[in-house]
Amino acid sequence: GEDVEQSLFLSVREGDSSVINCTYTDSSSTYLYWYKQEPGAGLQLLTYIFSNMDMKQDQRLTVLLNKKDKHLSLRIADTQTGDSAIYFCAETPYSGGGADGLTFGKGTHLIIQP
Amino acid sequence: EPEVTQTPSHQVTQMGQEVILRCVPISNHLYFYWYRQILGQKVEFLVSFYNNEISEKSEIFDDQFSVERPDGSNFTLKIRSTKLEDSAMYFCASSEGVQFFGPGTRLTVL
Repeated sequence: GEDVEQSLFLSVREGDSSVINCTYTDSSSTYLYWYKQEPGAGLQLLTYIFSNMDMKQDQRLTVLLNKKDKHLSLRIADTQTGDSAIYFCAETPYSGGGADGLTFGKGTHLIIQP
Repeated sequence: EPEVTQTPSHQVTQMGQEVILRCVPISNHLYFYWYRQILGQKVEFLVSFYNNEISEKSEIFDDQFSVERPDGSNFTLKIRSTKLEDSAMYFCASSEGVQFFGPGTRLTVL
């Protein structure tokens, strides 16, 4: 079945850029997502990218997609203490019906050092 | 900004009891979903719902689970005869393409 892999932890200094990586196995992945989860909170949609795109930028966030290597990354520029959270990569084939569930990675804990 | 809401935020129940988790999806969305996240584990897809019927379901979504849209706004997940291993965060999501999640209900089965 489909699988999504992420590193469990990333530690960065405040003000530096954070790069969170994700690999996936499903060749039919159409939507790829990044969600943020703060302690005790729900899943906040950060950004998403369609598989026909290579890059998407939204303020401090840059998503890069390498379809050949099935690799997705999320770069957070000028990382702040408020960015401390778990970041989940997720994918769905979105085969046209919209009813497909997302397959999530285990999440990357982003730790900010002062 | 429209958002998905869920009630209750925390539900404690005894093993063997039935629970109903409630969700109000974003009003113009047509697809609804339930996911669960056991503590420390991945978020797992349970079921999707469209046009008043189940569209897709995972292996986890067995006969003890059911979903319903009892009126024009609510979307519910019923768990019959809860087991200890049903303890988890349950997330509802809705979509018109991109899935937006609610804050979750923490279910604790004692």
